Amino acid sequence: EVQLVESGGGLVLPGGSLRLSCTASGFTFSDYALNWVRQAPGKGLEWLSYIGPGSSSDTYYADSVKGRFTISRDNAKNSLYLQMNSLRDEDTAVYYCARDIADCSGGTCHEIRFDYWGRGTLVTVST
Amino acid sequence: DIVLTQSPGTLSLSPGERATLSCRASQSVSSSYLVWYQQKPGQAPRLLIYGASRRATGIPDRFSGSGSGTDFILTINRLEPEDFAVYYCQQYGTSPRYTFGQGTKLEIK
Repeated sequence: EVQLVESGGGLVLPGGSLRLSCTASGFTFSDYALNWVRQAPGKGLEWLSYIGPGSSSDTYYADSVKGRFTISRDNAKNSLYLQMNSLRDEDTAVYYCARDIADCSGGTCHEIRFDYWGRGTLVTVST
Repeated sequence: DIVLTQSPGTLSLSPGERATLSCRASQSVSSSYLVWYQQKPGQAPRLLIYGASRRATGIPDRFSGSGSGTDFILTINRLEPEDFAVYYCQQYGTSPRYTFGQGTKLEIK
């Protein structure tokens, strides 16, 4: 059974840092791309960051977190990370990791979707 | 940047009725890259439809997706009590890589 479990959330002061983890099981972790998505209280979903499969250095970020957040992975530990620096009040949210899957052939990928999600970890940025 | 606008914001229907949810893109989106998710309170989103019309594993056939270009539709036939939730569309693009719509809340009338 595929499982993604986030951890590392908590209360942090504005300007502070936090490192989130997402531990995976039930699939070959290194074969899949992964994402971080967040949801502010009572709001919709916001995609934050993507990291490619394997030892990929292929990473992407939303403008809202570019330069402040860093995504990384440790395939030996089946773990995905999000290092969050210079945190702001508006970063308060539940943070989800999500597995990225697509149907690829001939170097082109189609039907890209997030097929498994963790249950999320709450980050609160406040004084 | 492509913006996805979902309508209505809230849809009030009764069990047994049909729900029609809209997702409109500010620019043409490949059908291959249009996805729908369902989210219930306190839960993570769940994949429903990908490639605009393909049901994910385990999704009942009362859920269907359609559309192309800038206009996409999620239809739920014969609403069941467990279908009342918030629905999001999502697209894969270039920058940003992914975009979500703001969501449609489907509530019991």
